[in-house]
Amino acid sequence: GQNIDQPTEMTATEGAIVQINCTYQTSGFNGLFWYQQHAGEAPTFLSYNVLDGLEEKGRFSSFLSRSKGYSYLLLKELQMKDSASYLCAVIDSNYQLIWGAGTKLIIKP
Amino acid sequence: DAGVTQSPTHLIKTRGQQVTLRCSPKSGHDTVSWYQQALGQGPQFIFQYYEEEERQRGNFPDRFSGHQFPNYSSELNVNALLLGDSALYLCFSPLHFGNGTRLTVT
Repeated sequence: GQNIDQPTEMTATEGAIVQINCTYQTSGFNGLFWYQQHAGEAPTFLSYNVLDGLEEKGRFSSFLSRSKGYSYLLLKELQMKDSASYLCAVIDSNYQLIWGAGTKLIIKP
Repeated sequence: DAGVTQSPTHLIKTRGQQVTLRCSPKSGHDTVSWYQQALGQGPQFIFQYYEEEERQRGNFPDRFSGHQFPNYSSELNVNALLLGDSALYLCFSPLHFGNGTRLTVT
């Protein structure tokens, strides 16, 4: 079967750095997404990785290793508004999106 | 503004009723996918429409059906509603979600 694993919940301090990991086992791979979802709202697009390496976008960076079936989302200079769930999703060989359950990130002052 | 619009925003129905949810993708985007998201879980794929045809389907019963119109807008229909159908229903058109429809079945 296909599987996306993420930690259920993480806690970090305002101003700090946090890394949210995602491991996947899917039938084929055509890219990996990270989305942010605030409570009660729809997910919003953060990043897309299809090649190995680090993609940086402001305070957020996303890393991919296809050989290890592994990605992480790095959030720097954490702000209270970053408190949200972070969803990892992989496009499989049928171009279907397979979603993780999400990581709830709690930011403390 | 990602351009994917959904209606209604919230909906309350009783068991056994039928519901229709609507989605308009961003102009020029011809592929629409529907997802169900229960509280605390990731989105679960219902089906995908492309050029007015259902192209892929997830593990959902036949009570869940859909349609895509020539202008690429789409509808999700759910018949014989169950309490377990209460969830956030999301429309997805490449890279972006609509704001979702929160369905509550009582």
